[in-house]
Amino acid sequence: NAGVTQTPKFQVLKTGQSMTLQCAQDMNHNSMYWYRQDPGMGLRLIYYSASEGTTDKGEVPNGYNVSRLNKREFSLRLESAAPSQTSVYFCASTDRGPLAKNIQYFGAGTRLSVL
Amino acid sequence: GQSLEQPSEVTAVEGAIVQINCTYQTSGFYGLSWYQQHDGGAPTFLSYNGLDGLEETGRFSSFLSRSDSYGYLLLQELQMKDSASYFCAPKAGANNLFFGTGTRLTVIP
Repeated sequence: NAGVTQTPKFQVLKTGQSMTLQCAQDMNHNSMYWYRQDPGMGLRLIYYSASEGTTDKGEVPNGYNVSRLNKREFSLRLESAAPSQTSVYFCASTDRGPLAKNIQYFGAGTRLSVL
Repeated sequence: GQSLEQPSEVTAVEGAIVQINCTYQTSGFYGLSWYQQHDGGAPTFLSYNGLDGLEETGRFSSFLSRSDSYGYLLLQELQMKDSASYFCAPKAGANNLFFGTGTRLTVIP
């Protein structure tokens, strides 16, 4: 029972470098999410994918792109990293529609530092 | 727009009861979730209220009043391991949650 798996767990980048954060879930969930968490800021939604083939912007999408590769995988790309993108990134997945609890299951997170 | 208010920090004694309040403002409200996050860990689901009233899960209970846009999480028989951050999260769309900045609970002996 892996749940939601994120790679890498830690990453250090230099300003201007690019990288892709990977996320995969094995729960057959339709919806997947990328959040960032900064000290004192709580969780902020970057992008989400309500179902395979669709992606939508969240609260803080600037500087990021996403790809819903298939039902299992949802990746987050930083094309040109900036120090302001230093954060902990969480991927999550959920299923069911408006009447359900929509429990979101989170990965362990990726701790990213941009120097 | 969306907004959330919950206390930033709460301290309580081991064995006691603590209540964490949450007021929210959001469009298309479906229900209120609560998540727990230990330092260095990932958020984990605690409770969900889709209807008004109290939901009980072991030592944790959660309450919702839709008319007041208000909810709370009640933790009973506090244990040291309950020291964590607690997030209320309105379900604002078909599948989306809106997380606030959370309440940091410190349980002291």
